[in-house]
Formats: sequence, C-alpha cells, structure tokens
Amino acid sequence: RKEVEQDPGPFNVPEGATVAFNCTYSNSASQSFFWYRQDCRKEPKLLMSVYSSGNEDGRFTAQLNRASQYISLLIRDSKLSDSATYLCVIPGTGANNLFFGTGTRLTVIP
Amino acid sequence: ETGVTQSPTHLIKTRGQQVTLRCSSQSGHNTVSWYQQALGQGPQFIFQYYREEENGRGNFPPRFSGLQFPNYSSELNVNALELDDSALYLCASSIGRGGTDLYGYTFGSGTRLTVV
Repeated sequence: RKEVEQDPGPFNVPEGATVAFNCTYSNSASQSFFWYRQDCRKEPKLLMSVYSSGNEDGRFTAQLNRASQYISLLIRDSKLSDSATYLCVIPGTGANNLFFGTGTRLTVIP
Repeated sequence: ETGVTQSPTHLIKTRGQQVTLRCSSQSGHNTVSWYQQALGQGPQFIFQYYREEENGRGNFPPRFSGLQFPNYSSELNVNALELDDSALYLCASSIGRGGTDLYGYTFGSGTRLTVV
C-alpha cells in the first residue's frame, strides 16, 4: 500500500463553487500532514499544514480524521487562480523525506 | 536572502549518457533533498544530504548518486540514463536533518530532464 493516496481528478468546477479533495495515508503514527500547491511546470509550494484536527486559512480548510486515516482540503468560493494541482504530503518515519500523493488537478472554470 | 536555485532549467540527453544537476541551497540552510517528479505523478524522494553526508535514501538505484559541498550546494548525478529517467528533478533545502516543520523547506524550480 502506498504511503499516501489521492484521487487524481481532474476536478472541473465553476467559479464560486466549493470543492473538496481527500487524501488517505497508511502510517497511523504520522503526526503532521501538509497540502502543497503546484502550478503547471513549477515547483510545489506549501499551502497548509495540519497537526491536530484541522486548520483554516481564509477560503481554505484542511481537516484530519485520524480514525479513518485521511486528510481533506476544502476550498470555498473557488477563484480562477485556484486552478492548480494540490499535493497531499506526509513526512517519512525518519522525517528526512516527504511522501507526496500523486496530486489532484483542479480547474476552475469562468 | 536568496532562494533555492537549480541549473540547468532544461536538459536533453541520450539514453546511456550521464548527467549532473546542480542545486544551490537557500542562505542559512545546511540540508538538501532531491526529488524526482515524473509526469502526472507526485515527487518521489531520491536522497538527502546533510553537512556533506548522505542522510537517507529513497528507492532509487545506485546509478543515482549525489554530493554536497562545504557551502551546502549539491549535485545529483545520474549514470546510464534510461528513458524512464525523464522527469522534473526538484531539490529542496532546509535547516537540519529532519523534523516536521516544513515552513522552512524550500523547493527550487527544478530541472526538466528529457532522455531520448
């Protein structure tokens, strides 16, 4: 089983919509979780972290469900500029490496 | 404060050749990690260098090797290139060998390698 699994999408949503992505992880001992955003042909950039039950930053909410071993990212009031690939990331056991999901592609349509 | 820079930005090589990719870490960072990102996939950890020594390695064959220099810049070398090595190669610099605070974990913009 992969350390991190994501639905690759693509998700095509109209402007203003609410969209949610899920990511499951295999290591029940994981303590920290991250969402990265990656624009086409660019490097990943840290979007949000989740250390306990959840985290909210403006239109973005990240939630953690330890019992079911998944994290989610909710984007409210989608903007055209939210179009990107969203990567779920979990540090490895040794914490010197990161496990990335395959990414979920989001396109926000005018 | 400069960010992470990688060179070259793009590269085309022939199967069987060798390639060297370079990464300059962000000022104040002493750790460099390398990742391979194939098209449509998430980045996969290759290895990490901390204070000039390898500190962890992912599931990559020995023909993937690296170096870190006293100024903490790093090189990734790939020998006997295969078509499947075509990917975006990302390096990330950070402070220290590990930890779970990724706010200081900075990616470079990557080198896009195409093997033909």
